[in-house]
Amino acid sequence: DAGITQSPRYKITETGRQVTLMCHQTWSHSYMFWYRQDLGHGLRLIYYSAAADITDKGEVPDGYVVSRSKTENFPLTLESATRSQTSVYFCASEFGLAGGGGVQFFGPGTRLTVL
Amino acid sequence: GESVGLHLPTLSVQEGDNSIINCAYSNSASDYFIWYKQESGKGPQFIIDIRSNMDKRQGQRVTVLLNKTVKHLSLQIAATQPGDSAVYFCAENIGGAGGTSYGKLTFGQGTILTVHP
Repeated sequence: DAGITQSPRYKITETGRQVTLMCHQTWSHSYMFWYRQDLGHGLRLIYYSAAADITDKGEVPDGYVVSRSKTENFPLTLESATRSQTSVYFCASEFGLAGGGGVQFFGPGTRLTVL
Repeated sequence: GESVGLHLPTLSVQEGDNSIINCAYSNSASDYFIWYKQESGKGPQFIIDIRSNMDKRQGQRVTVLLNKTVKHLSLQIAATQPGDSAVYFCAENIGGAGGTSYGKLTFGQGTILTVHP
């Protein structure tokens, strides 16, 4: 199906384990983003990518690693999960307009629990 | 309207009424604004956007108003329906830096809209 998908939708892991959240979009959008959503903090940007092999930090990047070898995929890895990383994670993509300011389209989210 | 903290603003309306959701944005340099709707267990869904060179934009049953003087954004929903019940977020785009062609969105905390049949 066309659109933006995330997997897994739910994940429970233990402190110290490595976890990778997957994001895939079929629109060939240049820009992709990872957010986390926590009560009281809204949506906060973790990492973003302007194109394949181009990534940069957002507001809360510590403890996370991203890669983008292909335009359509943007995996997010928690190298050593901590309880504070329990959250709902959203991936988004954007076509990208000259001068900035484009609509970001969001995936369904991954609910991650770190025990 | 939007606020920072653990308690989201709430708006409760009757089906058929008009709803107005408010948002105060932070950066006078913001030049692009988006309203998103988020239903329980789902990702944010685009509703409508507006650029800073406009004061008003209309969509299907929705209107966004922008007052740059007081840095205020509002979303009006006409004839609100139970299916409109959700959390509504405003987001502002500070603009791409150095000529880059994308900008990072900064989201408000959200407003919970509940529509009673």
